[in-house]
Amino acid sequence: AQSVAQPEDQVNVAEGNPLTVKCTYSVSGNPYLFWYVQYPNRGLQFLLKYITGDNLVKGSYGFEAEFNKSQTSFHLKKPSALVSDSALYFCAVRDGLAAGNKLTFGGGTRVLVKP
Amino acid sequence: ETGVTQTPRHLVMGMTNKKSLKCEQHLGHNAMYWYKQSAKKPLELMFVYNFKEQTENNSVPSRFSPECPNSSHLFLHLHTLQPEDSALYLCASSPAETGTYEQYFGPGTRLTVT
Repeated sequence: AQSVAQPEDQVNVAEGNPLTVKCTYSVSGNPYLFWYVQYPNRGLQFLLKYITGDNLVKGSYGFEAEFNKSQTSFHLKKPSALVSDSALYFCAVRDGLAAGNKLTFGGGTRVLVKP
Repeated sequence: ETGVTQTPRHLVMGMTNKKSLKCEQHLGHNAMYWYKQSAKKPLELMFVYNFKEQTENNSVPSRFSPECPNSSHLFLHLHTLQPEDSALYLCASSPAETGTYEQYFGPGTRLTVT
């Protein structure tokens, strides 16, 4: 079975400050991890993914995420947040042992960046 | 834009109506997905199609009927829905069902059942 948790429903941050959105996961095999962002009245947009290799993954719009196997975490980070980063962020996981491309999504974290 | 389009963007229907949602992808992908996004609930996978064949039905009620005539098009036929079916329905695609591919999502259809 595969599962993912986003412990924070909302994160508030001032513009220019670092932004972190937390994600933890549980899988039987190796994890394939993804971050998506959803702006109002839009679908999900892919930000980045971890499959294997370097634990620090860089993605779109200046976002990066760090894979931590011992803590089973994949937190999303941005060094300096923008007001335009205000959106709903989803972490997703797929178990490397599972057949198919079935992703399990977290409940989402709403990010509010204030000017 | 992600290369995945959905129509209509908004739909209001009564419980006795029959309607269809349409999804089209222009990415040359072979796998397509239907998701349901409800308020305060995680994104729920409904159906998966790979090379036009259904490979996943996530215990979805029969009032939702998917159709995939080719790898570029995916439909969701709706009939005798319930008010709790009101949600944002998202279509997604990926190069294949296997592998490590990310999925590309359309903008969704906001469905309201009255």
